[in-house]
Amino acid sequence: EVQLVESGGGLVQPGGSLRLSCAASGFTFSSYWMSWVRQAPGKGLEWVANIKQDGSEKYYVDSVKGRFTISRDNAKNSLYLQMNSLRAEDTAVYYCARDEVIRGGSSNDYWGQGTLVTVSS
Amino acid sequence: DIQMTQSPSSLSASVGDRVTITCRASQSISSYLNWYQQKPGKAPKLLIYAASSLQSGVPSRFSGSGSGTDFTLTISSLQPEDFATYYCQQSYSTPIFTFGPGTKVDIK
Repeated sequence: EVQLVESGGGLVQPGGSLRLSCAASGFTFSSYWMSWVRQAPGKGLEWVANIKQDGSEKYYVDSVKGRFTISRDNAKNSLYLQMNSLRAEDTAVYYCARDEVIRGGSSNDYWGQGTLVTVSS
Repeated sequence: DIQMTQSPSSLSASVGDRVTITCRASQSISSYLNWYQQKPGKAPKLLIYAASSLQSGVPSRFSGSGSGTDFTLTISSLQPEDFATYYCQQSYSTPIFTFGPGTKVDIK
């Protein structure tokens, strides 16, 4: 059974940093792109970043470029999101999701339960 | 950047109703369109990928259609467990994704 379990969320002051982790199991982690997707309270879904199987390619939504870094450790079946210079507008539930590629297109076929990040003084 | 819109933003329906949700892309995305269902406090669930392919385990009352810029998610006979928010997502610009703003389906 595919499982994705996020951790590391919490309350942080504006300008602070936080590192999120996602522990994957039930599939060959090193064979999949992985994404982070967030959802601000009462708002819709926003794709944040993703990373290629070997970590050689990383992509970000414009609003987090230069502040967030996605990474992975295939030996530990883990995905990470280092978040620096946090702003109030980064407050959200952050989901880890697996990227599945079918017929040239991609989708997020498995999701974790999410971890809440609150940026507030 | 590709922008996604959905209509309506919310709708009220009864059990047994046929429900249609529309998603529109700001440029052609071929069939690179996915649909998700999200219930309050839960993670999103993939329903439809590549515009019309049903994800494994998803009931056949859900269907998707469309290509280019206009897409539709249809629930043929709304069930109590279908009251949720539905999001479209384009993957034409993969590996970069964009979600639509969502459509909330609630009880009439």
